[in-house]
Amino acid sequence: AAGVIQSPRHLIKEKRETATLKCYPIPRHDTVYWYQQGPGQDPQFLISFYEKMQSDKGSIPDRFSAQQFSDYHSELNMSSLELGDSALYFCASSLDAGSDTQYFGPGTRLTVL
Amino acid sequence: QQQVKQSPQSLIVQKGGISIINCAYENTAFDYFPWYQQFPGKGPALLIAIRPDVSEKKEGRFTISFNKSAKQFSLHIMDSQPGDSATYFCAASQGSGAGSYQLTFGKGTKLSVIP
Repeated sequence: AAGVIQSPRHLIKEKRETATLKCYPIPRHDTVYWYQQGPGQDPQFLISFYEKMQSDKGSIPDRFSAQQFSDYHSELNMSSLELGDSALYFCASSLDAGSDTQYFGPGTRLTVL
Repeated sequence: QQQVKQSPQSLIVQKGGISIINCAYENTAFDYFPWYQQFPGKGPALLIAIRPDVSEKKEGRFTISFNKSAKQFSLHIMDSQPGDSATYFCAASQGSGAGSYQLTFGKGTKLSVIP
């Protein structure tokens, strides 16, 4: 069965640089969630989208922005990167507006040097 | 303030034994409680989930027990195998509209199943 696709899988950036993470949800899933997981930590909700509109916002820094496109893929844009942004970034998708079941992608490991 | 408290932090179980992980929550508006399994460097994989109108749900070797009055739920892994060695997260969510089912996770339990 098709799963959530994330790219790139690994990313190394310098401080103050920008990064763009991409998420391709499971086919026919129209809702996307982004989570950040620090080393040895639990995933923390960042932001979510339904039908290309932002639905909910968690502990996402102002330096980060995200959007969902017409094909339902989503991109997380991160600017002025800091050392503390080094983490695993997961995207999860769910089938529709009424579904609370989320399927996670393999994640993007971001390292900020 | 941790809305979902998970214990133990780590667990060592003999092969064939029962692994039990517990979670407690504060927010009575939570209405969906999934468990995720995560291997190092991988994404969380949905194992099993329960809603408050059910006290127990079983899927294969995995069982969730749910106690609404105590605001607690637990994961039981029967006949634990070395391949079950992973980090397990409990989570909870409350829905209030499309795309608003954000998950609140526990801190995770690192399970090691020894032969």
